[in-house]
Amino acid sequence: GNSVTQMEGPVTLSEEAFLTINCTYTATGYPSLFWYVQYPGEGLQLLLKATKADDKGSNKGFEATYRKETTSFHLEKGSVQVSDSAVYFCALLPNNNDMRFGAGTRLTVKP
Amino acid sequence: DTAVSQTPKYLVTQMGNDKSIKCEQNLGHDTMYWYKQDSKKFLKIMFSYNNKELIINETVPNRFSPKSPDKAHLNLHINSLELGDSAVYFCASSQDWTEAFFGQGTRLTVV
Repeated sequence: GNSVTQMEGPVTLSEEAFLTINCTYTATGYPSLFWYVQYPGEGLQLLLKATKADDKGSNKGFEATYRKETTSFHLEKGSVQVSDSAVYFCALLPNNNDMRFGAGTRLTVKP
Repeated sequence: DTAVSQTPKYLVTQMGNDKSIKCEQNLGHDTMYWYKQDSKKFLKIMFSYNNKELIINETVPNRFSPKSPDKAHLNLHINSLELGDSAVYFCASSQDWTEAFFGQGTRLTVV
């Protein structure tokens, strides 16, 4: 079936540290991959996406590369800020099907 | 302009009551969804509607029923509320099975 596995949190980093949140997926066909971010008390917002293998999605300093050979879509940021504190969700959209989310990873960035 | 709006934002009610959460999208999307997010932030899809037809119905209790009066609305009705129904419920929409746009969420507390 279609599923997403992302690293468990919580993750606590100091400001300006490097961030990696791992995400791997299982899917048939050629799915699209996404990262969503949920700030406290808000709904999910699309952070970045990639629709085919080797695509790199990027936004607000975050990046993720669609790796079909390793079925991964790891989220990275070179220097996190306190304002990046949120819950991050990796998501999978199989062809003509509903979106599946990972369990979410809570990130806390301390000054 | 809010793309996906849901009301109310907070709902506190007693066990056994019947309640509804409304959702409207002004994006012209053809598919709408309801997700449930538990206290651990895990997101689970409950329903999706495409062109007023229910196309996915996960294993949710039949006390939950989606109602779609038109393409822009997908309301969630819940009968005989139970303590375990307490969660945050998110409405979302998408077009042609692309990324989903989320509402701000409704925090339901059953007491």
